[in-house]
Amino acid sequence: EAQVTQNPRYLITVTGKKLTVTCSQNMNHEYMSWYRQDPGLGLRQIYYSMNVEVTDKGDVPEGYKVSRKEKRNFPLILELPSPNQTSLYFCASSSTSGGDTQYFGPGTRLTVL
Amino acid sequence: KQEVTQIPAALSVPEGENLVLNCSFTDSAIYNLQWFRQDPGKGLTSLLLIQSSQREQTSGRLNASLDKSSGRSTLYIAASQPGDSATYLCAVITGTYKYIFGTGTRLKVLA
Repeated sequence: EAQVTQNPRYLITVTGKKLTVTCSQNMNHEYMSWYRQDPGLGLRQIYYSMNVEVTDKGDVPEGYKVSRKEKRNFPLILELPSPNQTSLYFCASSSTSGGDTQYFGPGTRLTVL
Repeated sequence: KQEVTQIPAALSVPEGENLVLNCSFTDSAIYNLQWFRQDPGKGLTSLLLIQSSQREQTSGRLNASLDKSSGRSTLYIAASQPGDSATYLCAVITGTYKYIFGTGTRLKVLA
């Protein structure tokens, strides 16, 4: 089944404890992206990647890191999580950059205390 | 800076009505525009992608139009059903392949 998977689905952590949210797709997609969704602010793009080793900043990249070492994986790294990063995070992928349907993962609900 | 607005923020209609959801954007230099649906507690599902050279796209009871010069897109839903209840989001795709989303329209279709 074609899908985007994220792990973990739920995470509660404390300020300053490094964490990684994994994202994997099995569709051989070139484009992958991370978003956060907050009430009243909608969905905002954090980082995106047009292919292996090619990443670029979205609208809210501060406090996040990404890497794209292989086509199928696009982990999101929070090296020093803070309470303002408490949010619902989505990973997504599409066959090409902006020209095809984007498939979304189920989301990761992160709480930083 | 590109901004995307969706009006209304919420909409409640009786079953069977035809309805229009609006999306406006401030910079007409877009690459594409995409409409999504989000059910509560779930991820987004793509509905329609309109390329910047196109005027509209149709899928079943859904029709999306794009007018780049006026910075507007509309999503038309024909003969609405309770199963259409969800939040509808539009996203502008820029020339550098960024996605900029509106805050969505929360639709409720009453049986």
